[in-house]
Amino acid sequence: GQNIDQPTEMTATEGAIVQINCTYQTSGFNGLFWYQQHAGEAPTFLSYNVLDGLEEKGRFSSFLSRSKGYSYLLLKELQMKDSASYLCAVQDSNYQLIWGAGTKLIIKP
Amino acid sequence: NAGVTQTPKFRVLKTGQSMTLLCAQDMNHEYMYWYRQDPGMGLRLIHYSVGEGTTAKGEVPDGYNVSRLKKQNFLLGLESAAPSQTSVYFCASKLAGVVTGELFFGEGSRLTVL
Repeated sequence: GQNIDQPTEMTATEGAIVQINCTYQTSGFNGLFWYQQHAGEAPTFLSYNVLDGLEEKGRFSSFLSRSKGYSYLLLKELQMKDSASYLCAVQDSNYQLIWGAGTKLIIKP
Repeated sequence: NAGVTQTPKFRVLKTGQSMTLLCAQDMNHEYMYWYRQDPGMGLRLIHYSVGEGTTAKGEVPDGYNVSRLKKQNFLLGLESAAPSQTSVYFCASKLAGVVTGELFFGEGSRLTVL
């Protein structure tokens, strides 16, 4: 079966760095997405990885290792507005997205 | 810059009632999707459409029907609502043929079935 695993909840301090992990087992692989979802709002796109390595976009970076079925989202210089859920999704061999349950990130002052 | 618009945003139904959720997008996207989001679970695909006049089943299609009569609209229908259909429903769209293409989501429709 297809499976995406992420921690349910994480807590971090404002100004710090946090890494949110995602492991996956899917039928084929055509890229991995990270989305941010604030409470009561729609998910919004953060990043896309299809090749191994690190993609940096401002304070956010996303890493992929296809051989390990593993990705992480790295958030630097945390701000209170980063409090949200972070959704990992893998595009399978049929280009359908398989979604993780999301990681709720709580930022404390 | 409306993007993806869902109506209604909130609805309470009694078991057995029917309703339709409307999704409209103004980005000329070919692909449209209906997801449901439940606590502790990932987004689950209900139905999707790759173009006007075409629809397909997703992961959890039972109890739902859809129609895509116009490119910009994607309707999700519940013919006989059940408490198990209490959820937040998200519509999304994306451009066709773009593997890296991101999904654009509507704001969600919160449905409660009593």
